[in-house]
Formats: sequence, structure tokens, C-alpha cells
Amino acid sequence: GENVEQHPSTLSVQEGDSAVIKCTYSDSASNYFPWYKQELGKGPQLIIDIRSNVGEKKDQRIAVTLNKTAKHFSLHITETQPEDSAVYFCAASYSGNTPLVFGKGTRLSVIA
Amino acid sequence: NAGVTQTPKFQVLKTGQSMTLQCAQDMNHNSMYWYRQDPGMGLRLIYYSASEGTTDKGEVPNGYNVSRLNKREFSLRLESAAPSQTSVYFCASSEHGAPIYGYTFGSGTRLTVV
Repeated sequence: GENVEQHPSTLSVQEGDSAVIKCTYSDSASNYFPWYKQELGKGPQLIIDIRSNVGEKKDQRIAVTLNKTAKHFSLHITETQPEDSAVYFCAASYSGNTPLVFGKGTRLSVIA
Repeated sequence: NAGVTQTPKFQVLKTGQSMTLQCAQDMNHNSMYWYRQDPGMGLRLIYYSASEGTTDKGEVPNGYNVSRLNKREFSLRLESAAPSQTSVYFCASSEHGAPIYGYTFGSGTRLTVV
């Protein structure tokens, strides 16, 4: 089955700097790669996703890149703000009836 | 507000007790999922229901049972709770069997087994 590795497990950045979180996956059949943000005491919330026919996707200050050959994808957050502090999860799935497989999460702290 | 509702939010059980975690969604989603979240382990799938009337095991199903009561509701039962089941449990739903539309998560149930 699919296995998703996520790095780093913790990340601290200064406000205004960029943050990058990286994930690798094992199943070359996977073709859907979402990112979730989990704030303290809440459930994860989808923030951006990418499909295998796209190499990069942006939404304001966040972007995701995908390298299918190397089987890795990354989340980029620019101009970080204190409200970006949260736990971020990457995930992967093959678009059949297979549920998402999640990475172990990255705790991002943005220091004002 | 539309979304996924989980009850209870907190629960303390004694080893060997049983309980059912409830989950309901009002978005007319076909698929529902139960995950557990443990420190350093991320989100691990316990069971899922791709559509009403079907259920399948996930990565960590031992010690749990599920019921897809109708399209809206998906419950998780612990028959004989163990300390290893201390965790935060999340229910999620998605529009179709394939999660290409993303999941909507509930706010979680924090369970402690003593």
C-alpha cells in the first residue's frame, strides 16, 4: 500500500520568511495530493491540492509543487504570518475508492 | 452550519468499558471515514465507508467496529476499551468514493482510557 513520508516534523520561521514542507510517496499510481492545516483543538482543513497532471499550483501565499518522477511534492508558504502556525499534513491517494494516506505532520511555528 | 458533527467531544473510559462515537454529516456526502491521531503518528485510517451500505477496514481496525447507519451517520464502536486506544478520533466525509474533492473533518473526540 501507499506510504507517505513528511519532513520536517517541526519547523520554526520568522514572520515574513518562507516555509517549505516536503513529502515523498511510494505508490506511483497515486495521483491526488492534498495538504491539510490543523489548528489547535480543531480538525484538519483542506488548504490546497494538486493532481498528477499538474506540476505546480498556487493560491495566494501558498503553493504546491509535484515531481512525479521523483515521487515527491512540497508545500511552500511565503510571507508567513503568526496565523500560519499550525500542524500541516500532506496526503496521497489513487483516485479510485482508496482513502487518503497521510504523512505524520509538520508543526509550523511562525515567530513574530 | 453545514459540516461534520462528532459526539462526544471528550470521554474518559475505564479499561474494558464499551462506547460508541457518533458522527453525522449534512453535506449529502457518499463516503465517510474514521481516523485516529496520535502524537508523532499522524492520521491513521481505522475504517471507512465508500457508500451507504458498505464498510471496509483501514490501517488500524483491530478493537473497533463501525456502522453506516444511513447516508448521514457513521458510528465507531469500541467493544472493550484498552489504554492503547487513548487517542483523538476524527470523522471525515467526502463527496465521492475517491477523495478528489477533499475531506471535511469533524472537530474530533478526545478519548482517554484508564
